[in-house]
Amino acid sequence: IAGITQAPTSQILAAGRRMTLRCTQDMRHNAMYWYRQDLGLGLRLIHYSNTAGTTGKGEVPDGYSVSRANTDDFPLTLASAVPSQTSVYFCASSRLAGDSYNEQFFGPGTRLTVL
Amino acid sequence: GENVEQHPSTLSVQEGDSAVIKCTYSDSASNYFPWYKQELGKRPQLIIDIRSNVGEKKDQRIAVTLNKTAKHFSLHITETQPEDSAVYFCAASKEGTYKYIFGTGTRLKVLA
Repeated sequence: IAGITQAPTSQILAAGRRMTLRCTQDMRHNAMYWYRQDLGLGLRLIHYSNTAGTTGKGEVPDGYSVSRANTDDFPLTLASAVPSQTSVYFCASSRLAGDSYNEQFFGPGTRLTVL
Repeated sequence: GENVEQHPSTLSVQEGDSAVIKCTYSDSASNYFPWYKQELGKRPQLIIDIRSNVGEKKDQRIAVTLNKTAKHFSLHITETQPEDSAVYFCAASKEGTYKYIFGTGTRLKVLA
């Protein structure tokens, strides 16, 4: 693989079900992010990780959890999905080097519908 | 909390005209401002960025200006083309956090 990938591409899920969205990057980026994109609200940060083994909360973390066991993978879990979590989810990654800013590269997105 | 406001939400221009999108940020400590372009059904991609030690940056038909005193920055696209049609997002970030706060997006339509 090259770059950053997400799976699945789309998913329809019954409310109350558990779901894990997968994100993998092969760029050896140390930082990874999960966003949700809703019409009129732009991209909102759910959780992030600056390095393997650490995670942090973004703007809208409730109902979501993440883990960062290694550099490449950053799965996002919805423990009990609700209809308000219907959205397009983007994973992103960037290389952090000291205090310099680096481009965030986005994955292709996962379209999730919770019924 | 930190906030980035973006205007307008939609913008239609004739091909060849200029387009301007404006963003205002709330956190005076913000010092990095990227702009992303998202075509329909695609992922956001960086098109230009600016740091707080620079007032203006240009890349071919695209330019970004920053006014730190007023806490606002703008994207300027000249000689617009149909392929410029997309949603554009501004964002702000500050040293030490690496997190972006995005604006709500501007849907630009370039009319042929």
